[in-house]
Amino acid sequence: QKEVEQNSGPLSVPEGAIASLNCTYSDRGSQSFFWYRQYSGKSPELIMSIYSNGDKEDGRFTAQLNKASQYVSLLIRDSQPSDSATYLCAVASVYNNDMRFGAGTRLTVKP
Amino acid sequence: DAEITQSPRHKITETGRQVTLACHQTWNHNNMFWYRQDLGHGLRLIHYSYGVQDTNKGEVSDGYSVSRSNTEDLPLTLESAASSQTSVYFCASSESTRVEAWEQFFGPGTRLTVL
Repeated sequence: QKEVEQNSGPLSVPEGAIASLNCTYSDRGSQSFFWYRQYSGKSPELIMSIYSNGDKEDGRFTAQLNKASQYVSLLIRDSQPSDSATYLCAVASVYNNDMRFGAGTRLTVKP
Repeated sequence: DAEITQSPRHKITETGRQVTLACHQTWNHNNMFWYRQDLGHGLRLIHYSYGVQDTNKGEVSDGYSVSRSNTEDLPLTLESAASSQTSVYFCASSESTRVEAWEQFFGPGTRLTVL
């Protein structure tokens, strides 16, 4: 079982819709969770971090964390074609003292 | 503006050769990281450093080494390149020393091909 799992996609949504990206992790000791966006051929860029159970909103992005279910998600409201990218979930493991990334979910927003 | 640069951006080498990838950051961050990214595996941590003279092994450190002689640079060396090390390599830095707050900023990446 991979430590951080994401559906590889591709996930396709129409412009203006809500895109929902999901991530599960296996290390119950994980304390911090990050979402990165990576355009094709480019480097990852940090979108959001979340540390506590519940929702965290930043513009069109909402991160949701449920530690009991070991689940973190990213919602993108009013999706735009410019949101088309691969979204990487990252989990900070205090036990391993490192960061583990999922393989990413490729999102396509169709005009 | 502060940034992270990597060089070279593309490198082709032969099996058995020593290769060094450069990473330079002007964020003045204490923490620096090296990752490799392969299809289906996402990003995997190779080595990281919390400051000058400090280095730590990550998830996939075998065959790689790093040294930190100043705050700005963390070069990654492949002692004897193998075809399995063909990958895209990303350098990153972060301000916080606490792993729980590792909000990382990434360089543009180096595409390495080992023939």
